[in-house]
Amino acid sequence: QQQVKQSPQSLIVQKGGISIINCAYENTAFDYFPWYQQFPGKGPALLIAIRPDVSEKKEGRFTISFNKSAKQFSLHIMDSQPGDSATYFCAGRGGSNYKLTFGKGTLLTVNP
Amino acid sequence: SAVISQKPSRDICQRGTSLTIQCQVDSQVTMMFWYRQQPGQSLTLIATANQGSEATYESGFVIDKFPISRPNLTFSTLTVSNMSPEDSSIYLCSESRNTEAFFGQGTRLTVV
Repeated sequence: QQQVKQSPQSLIVQKGGISIINCAYENTAFDYFPWYQQFPGKGPALLIAIRPDVSEKKEGRFTISFNKSAKQFSLHIMDSQPGDSATYFCAGRGGSNYKLTFGKGTLLTVNP
Repeated sequence: SAVISQKPSRDICQRGTSLTIQCQVDSQVTMMFWYRQQPGQSLTLIATANQGSEATYESGFVIDKFPISRPNLTFSTLTVSNMSPEDSSIYLCSESRNTEAFFGQGTRLTVV
C-alpha cells in the first residue's frame, strides 16, 4: 500500500516558470511533511517541511501548500532555475518512531 | 543541519560476499535509520537502528540479510550479506533530531 502518492513523475519547466509538484497521503497519523531535493550521486537534502497546523510555508522561492481536509500537499518553486533541475521527493512522517514514507519522486528539468 | 558521513561512498562487490557500510553522525541522536534506493526509484526504509537494542526491520527486510549495529549514539553500521546483483542500490543512512530528518550522501553498491 503506497501511503504517499506523488505526481507528476516528471516535469519540464522553462526558466522563470513555476514548478508544481503534488502529493497525497493516506495515513492521518502523519504530522510532518518534508520535501527533499536530490541531485544525481547525492543523498536527499531537506528542502522545506510543514506541519498540518499550517496551511502554507514559504522559504525563498519554495512554498509548501497544505490541505489537511483533502490530505494533500504541494511544492511550488517560483522563478524556476536550471540549477533546480533535480529529483524531488515528498514524504510523510507520524508518531514517535520518526519513520519517513516517501513518494515515488518527480524528476524536474528546468530548461534555460 | 546535521553532518552525516557514510563510508564507503561506492563499491563494486562480487556476488556472495558481504559489505559493511559505516555511518557517523556529528552529534548524539536517538534514532538512526537505513534506507535503500534502487536505481531510479524512491527510498525504502530497511530498518531503524536502536542504540542498546536490536534493530527494528521493516516488512521485506530481515536481520540475516541486513545486520545492523548501533554501538553508540553517533555511529551505526549496515551489512549487506551474501550479496546478489539485486542488491545493487544506493544505501542511505539517516538520522532524526527534533523534527527534521537528514541523510548521508549514500553508498552506491554494485554487485557483479
